[in-house]
Amino acid sequence: DGGITQSPKYLFRKEGQNVTLSCEQNLNHDAMYWYRQDPGQGLRLIYYSQIVNDFQKGDIAEGYSVSREKKESFPLTVTSAQKNPTAFYLCASSIGQGISPLHFGNGTRLTVT
Amino acid sequence: AQTVTQSQPEMSVQEAETVTLSCTYDTSESDYYLFWYKQPPSRQMILVIRQEAYKQQNATENRFSVNFQKAAKSFSLKISDSQLGDAAMYFCAYTGTASKLTFGTGTRLQVTL
Repeated sequence: DGGITQSPKYLFRKEGQNVTLSCEQNLNHDAMYWYRQDPGQGLRLIYYSQIVNDFQKGDIAEGYSVSREKKESFPLTVTSAQKNPTAFYLCASSIGQGISPLHFGNGTRLTVT
Repeated sequence: AQTVTQSQPEMSVQEAETVTLSCTYDTSESDYYLFWYKQPPSRQMILVIRQEAYKQQNATENRFSVNFQKAAKSFSLKISDSQLGDAAMYFCAYTGTASKLTFGTGTRLQVTL
């Protein structure tokens, strides 16, 4: 079955360490996105990529980095520069041509202590 | 920048009754899409319904329908014959020419017996 896989489901890190969240899709979608979800704030866009080897900053990109070396993969690195990294992270993809709905992964809950 | 506002943090409905969730948005674009997503306790984001701005007819999907008022920039979701499985967070979202989704802060819907 086609879909988006985020791993791991739960991730724990010590403050000051970088951590990379995985996102893989087999939907043959061109566009991929990373969102952060905090209580009472909905989903906020971190980074998005509409094509391989290209990506753009979203609304809250500071302290994060991404790469898009393959169409299927869009990993997100939470760096030590991110002041409040503890959150629920959602990866999504879309066809990318025109306006199309997003398909979401199951998310990764990151806890930094 | 586009904004999406959901003014009802929580709503409650009795099983089999009808409930309407509110959403307003702000944009200067004329071509855009609006979506309602459902997030159950599993935290998986599920597309409920979508509306193209150029279509005057309100979208419907089984028990879910929208009231799209383009001039008022309003996009409410009506759930008929509410079921226990409808209990979830509901997010209104907007996408336009920038091809990225902007979400509201969500409405938590409780369904009671």
